[in-house]
Amino acid sequence: NAGVTQTPKFRVLKTGQSMTLLCAQDMNHEYMYWYRQDPGMGLRLIHYSVGEGTTAKGEVPDGYNVSRLKKQNFLLGLESAAPSQTSVYFCASSPLLGTSQPQHFGDGTRLSIL
Amino acid sequence: KQEVTQIPAALSVPEGENLVLNCSFTDSAIYNLQWFRQDPGKGLTSLLLIQSSQREQTSGRLNASLDKSSGRSTLYIAASQPGDSATYLCAVGRSSSGSRLTFGEGTQLTVNP
Repeated sequence: NAGVTQTPKFRVLKTGQSMTLLCAQDMNHEYMYWYRQDPGMGLRLIHYSVGEGTTAKGEVPDGYNVSRLKKQNFLLGLESAAPSQTSVYFCASSPLLGTSQPQHFGDGTRLSIL
Repeated sequence: KQEVTQIPAALSVPEGENLVLNCSFTDSAIYNLQWFRQDPGKGLTSLLLIQSSQREQTSGRLNASLDKSSGRSTLYIAASQPGDSATYLCAVGRSSSGSRLTFGEGTQLTVNP
């Protein structure tokens, strides 16, 4: 049981380049989330999804897009990377609201924008 | 807007000591409160989840309490061990759809042998 898997683990980009971060979960969870973690800022929610084919904005959505074409996958895209997007990105998943199950996190993607 | 604060930001204790980590939040209309552990270079591991209707949860040497009216939670670690060294994060779950979490910045704990 892999849980939540993030790909890639590390990446260095140049300003203006684009890329997609992939998150996959094998727990049949309905909800999936993308967070970024920055020193002194804690984890902040970028986008989330409450089910296949749905997405919604979190606290800091600007500069990012997401898609959830399949229930098990949640993709985070950077169309034109900026140095301010240098961060550690975490994906998480959880079952339907109303359960007492916590969010499960991946190990993160460390992204540097030069 | 919900704000979550964790005090202290860092804590260093000798092995065997009992310790308390604090978490406060500004909006008492929460769905749940979760405590996570994060090791360097790793993701978050859930330790305890307290539903809004509960007062506390226990798992092994860990005990978490919740006081919604005062906007506070504590994580008690008994008989600390060097393996407990990590960053501990508190997160508050909202009652709106999606079960979104608002995180504190964490307490970095070091347990010295």
